[in-house]
Amino acid sequence: DTEVTQTPKHLVMGMTNKKSLKCEQHMGHRAMYWYKQKAKKPPELMFVYSYEKLSINESVPSRFSPECPNSSLLNLHLHALQPEDSALYLCASSRSGLPLQPQHFGDGTRLSIL
Amino acid sequence: DAKTTQPNSMESNEEEPVHLPCNHSTISGTDYIHWYRQLPSQGPEYVIHGLTSNVNNRMASLAIAEDRKSSTLILHRATLRDAAVYYCILRDVNYGGSQGNLIFGKGTKLSVKP
Repeated sequence: DTEVTQTPKHLVMGMTNKKSLKCEQHMGHRAMYWYKQKAKKPPELMFVYSYEKLSINESVPSRFSPECPNSSLLNLHLHALQPEDSALYLCASSRSGLPLQPQHFGDGTRLSIL
Repeated sequence: DAKTTQPNSMESNEEEPVHLPCNHSTISGTDYIHWYRQLPSQGPEYVIHGLTSNVNNRMASLAIAEDRKSSTLILHRATLRDAAVYYCILRDVNYGGSQGNLIFGKGTKLSVKP
């Protein structure tokens, strides 16, 4: 069982919908991450939060809007997505974001855009 | 982060050792070698990391060449559950002060035959 919980596991939405992905961890980690993984490709970093502040945005389009309400919770708000945004969205956490610290991943939300 | 090169795929037999190679000829002195794996339908999972000396943990062993230009992840007795994509990633401890991104390459897809 993973210690990083992502909900929902699957999401189908139209291009005009607004939805949110949720990620939760209770390990006391202070760094949290969003990754995007297309089919048969490696994960790609989207955002990094460190101590609830956005520290890295890897040139992600504004239709993806991250939010970190507290140290245990990370959201990804979705609006006006395109079909090419269909992918597995992975959340991860680490103790403080230092490079030596392992990242713990959830099992992802599989997103399909109609 | 410096680049790594891994074979696209490898096969092994159950209960036999597996040696997964990784080349990183442009590694810098402050790059740590990390291994993650991703089982089907799951998020990536941290396996092991090291700098210069060989490392062992409950999951695997990491053998690092003396010149650090290559490394090998060793699974001592492969099980069917070890079938996954294995990623070798370099992480610079000096990167960005407090953030060290995980940059995933294509990895090696390991198949385990019963």
